[in-house]
Amino acid sequence: DAGVIQSPRHEVTEMGQEVTLRCKPISGHNSLFWYRQTMMRGLELLIYFNNNVPIDDSGMPEDRFSAKMPNASFSTLKIQPSEPRDSAVYFCASSSIEQGRNFGAGTRLSVL
Amino acid sequence: GENVEQHPSTLSVQEGDSAVIKCTYSDSASNYFPWYKQELGKGPQLIIDIRSNVGEKKDQRIAVTLNKTAKHFSLHITETQPEDSAVYFCAASGVDSSYKLIFGSGTRLLVRP
Repeated sequence: DAGVIQSPRHEVTEMGQEVTLRCKPISGHNSLFWYRQTMMRGLELLIYFNNNVPIDDSGMPEDRFSAKMPNASFSTLKIQPSEPRDSAVYFCASSSIEQGRNFGAGTRLSVL
Repeated sequence: GENVEQHPSTLSVQEGDSAVIKCTYSDSASNYFPWYKQELGKGPQLIIDIRSNVGEKKDQRIAVTLNKTAKHFSLHITETQPEDSAVYFCAASGVDSSYKLIFGSGTRLLVRP
């Protein structure tokens, strides 16, 4: 079991550019979560998928953020256009039940 | 909605001593309380969890206690080791929105050798 795999681990981009973060959940897990972690706001849930369907996207900060899960083994989080305040660590997590979850190693995003 | 408060924000202990981290929650309907350990450069890792139908759970040097009446739960680490140094997060979720884990603000634990 390789765990939840996220790529890239680090992303540095300029304001206005499009950023795409990728996640491969643990095989067999039917729930997938995207989180954002900052010093000021801690861990925030951005979006929750169940069986590839977005269930709750109320945490997505703005229309600039979008997430997709085209199949059970892949999800993306896209920011377009990116802004400096989007700088944070973004985590993907998956679980086989709704309450226990495994986190990936995260993507550290810096928007200059 | 649920609100989780965590104390202390930092904790320094001598190797071999015990460490206790406390959390309070606001929603009496919450029924699941996990604890996560986050090491530098890594994602949070689930270390222990407890559900509202039990008052205490142990796993080797780690234990969690839950007081439903007072709406607080605690993490206890005994015989601390330097590798226990990390940031620890408590969380809570309820029946109606079980996927919504509300996290505490974290406790940075330093175990001095």
